[in-house]
Amino acid sequence: KAGVTQTPRYLIKTRGQQVTLSCSPISGHRSVSWYQQTPGQGLQFLFEYFSETQRNKGNFPGRFSGRQFSNSRSEMNVSTLELGDSALYLCASSLGLEQYFGPGTRLTVT
Amino acid sequence: QQQVKQSPQSLIVQKGGISIINCAYENTAFDYFPWYQQFPGKGPALLIAIRPDVSEKKEGRFTISFNKSAKQFSLHIMDSQPGDSATYFCAATPNNAGNMLTFGGGTRLMVKP
Repeated sequence: KAGVTQTPRYLIKTRGQQVTLSCSPISGHRSVSWYQQTPGQGLQFLFEYFSETQRNKGNFPGRFSGRQFSNSRSEMNVSTLELGDSALYLCASSLGLEQYFGPGTRLTVT
Repeated sequence: QQQVKQSPQSLIVQKGGISIINCAYENTAFDYFPWYQQFPGKGPALLIAIRPDVSEKKEGRFTISFNKSAKQFSLHIMDSQPGDSATYFCAATPNNAGNMLTFGGGTRLMVKP
């Protein structure tokens, strides 16, 4: 089975812009979760989507949003980018409790 | 509020030695505890996981020990190899809340040849 794929792998944006990241889960997995990884804050949960519905949400501002499509693919959007949004954004898919991560999208905000 | 505390932050072990990483949690609703291994430039990879109904789980050279009363769990890597050099994360999630992992701060392991 193919693993979790994320696009793009690298992204450079300017403060104030918005960005959309994409995640394709493992075939058959209906849950997709997003995490932010930074050196200072570590790995932090953003949100989880299951069957096109947001099932859980972490403690991030409303500038961070996401959605899931009927084929389980998911996107996350960050509006009005800030320097502090520079991070590795990881997507994980799961069938049950086990979550499998993609390689991440490295976002740099200048 | 850090709900999962991981120690040490870094660890150096000789090849063939035992690497031990510890985690402590606060939320008693947690009941699934996975460990992840992350190499530079890669996403975390699931290594091994445990539920609180067992005190130990072993898979190859990797063993999780779990102490429910102390709210602590640890990862033991036996016969550590240079290829094990990576960052290790413990995590936890409540079973009835979907998939929302709370991660420890990570341990950077270096295995010297």
